[in-house]
Amino acid sequence: KNEVEQSPQNLTAQEGEFITINCSYSVGISALHWLQQHPGGGIVSLFMLSSGKKKHGRLIATINIQEKHSSLHITASHPRDSAVYICAAGIIQGAQKLVFGQGTRLTINP
Amino acid sequence: DVKVTQSSRYLVKRTGEKVFLECVQDMDHENMFWYRQDPGLGLRLIYFSYDVKMKEKGDIPEGYSVSREKKERFSLILESASTNQTSMYLCASSYPRGRGDFGAGTRLSVL
Repeated sequence: KNEVEQSPQNLTAQEGEFITINCSYSVGISALHWLQQHPGGGIVSLFMLSSGKKKHGRLIATINIQEKHSSLHITASHPRDSAVYICAAGIIQGAQKLVFGQGTRLTINP
Repeated sequence: DVKVTQSSRYLVKRTGEKVFLECVQDMDHENMFWYRQDPGLGLRLIYFSYDVKMKEKGDIPEGYSVSREKKERFSLILESASTNQTSMYLCASSYPRGRGDFGAGTRLSVL
């Protein structure tokens, strides 16, 4: 069993829909990261959170430490949101190491 | 606004060649990381460094070595490239316990 599990693996939706991607982890963490990877490979760090909720534009990330669960929400989804979204657990260790989920491939159709 | 720069986006090498992948960051981050990304396996940590001249093995260090002579530069070395090292390689840097910044990735093909 992977230490970080994401669901769903693939998600296709229509423009405007509310999107939720889930992440569960089984290790002790210092922080939970949400990353976005567009075709071509480059990765952008969207959020780093250790409690509660963070919002940036149409993106919202929440974390429940007790349940070891985090969600990434996208409101009013748009085709440009199509990407792979990756959850990563920052492991409690000397240097900040990340353990990655498998990623969720999101496709938003116009 | 470039923060983490990887020297090549695409690289094609032959089996047995020595390959250098270079990564430079301009944010004065202590930590630097090399990952590889493969379909179905996700991102896996090869090596990381938390200070100049310091390095630690990640989850899949076999066949790789690294060098960090200066704080801003972290090099990944494939001593003798093999076809199973064909992959996307991603460099990242961060402050200790900080949010990471990633490079654009290097897609390496070993023929």
